[in-house]
Amino acid sequence: AQKVTQAQTEISVVEKEDVTLDCVYETRDTTYYLFWYKQPPSGELVFLIRRNSFDEQNEISGRYSWNFQKSTSSFNFTITASQVVDSAVYFCALRDTGRRALTFGSGTRLQVQP
Amino acid sequence: DAGVIQSPRHEVTEMGQEVTLRCKPISGHDYLFWYRQTMMRGLELLIYFNNNVPIDDSGMPEDRFSAKMPNASFSTLKIQPSEPRDSAVYFCASSLTPGQGLDNTIYFGEGSWLTVV
Repeated sequence: AQKVTQAQTEISVVEKEDVTLDCVYETRDTTYYLFWYKQPPSGELVFLIRRNSFDEQNEISGRYSWNFQKSTSSFNFTITASQVVDSAVYFCALRDTGRRALTFGSGTRLQVQP
Repeated sequence: DAGVIQSPRHEVTEMGQEVTLRCKPISGHDYLFWYRQTMMRGLELLIYFNNNVPIDDSGMPEDRFSAKMPNASFSTLKIQPSEPRDSAVYFCASSLTPGQGLDNTIYFGEGSWLTVV
């Protein structure tokens, strides 16, 4: 069965601090896809990144970076120099070939204080 | 390009009434998903379709819920009769088939905020 664990329920940082959101997943499939979504206070789910199981290359996009490690089944998300606009709930999710729908983690609420 | 379109955005209804939520997926997508989000249960899958055929409806709470996809560009989620515990945000999402070298990201609509009083 698929499972995604986001152990951090809520994180509070001060603006300009770096913050890392943890995500651990479980799947029996060898081919799978990992995602991060952002849910700002307005409520929509905004896609941030997708990673394929066969591509462990880490990725950086502006202030965002992602560290994918198959050996530890983790897909962590780091925000560098956080800003107030980063305040949101962040969801990690898994899609594999056995279950074509997304399995979501419980989300991490990030509050960035000015 | 238009994203996933849901309607209504907000609905307040009385207990016992029928509620119909609508969704138009991204053109060309062959997967459509309905999710529900509540504080207690988080984001949970209700049902998903592939090529308009329901594949997994194990998340549908009970017989009061039904979903249809009469064609590739339209789906409905119906609750009849509605109850206060159905109050939630209902998201529709769509994607291409994974594993074909295409963008298989699941894109979400803005959600339908349902309140049953």
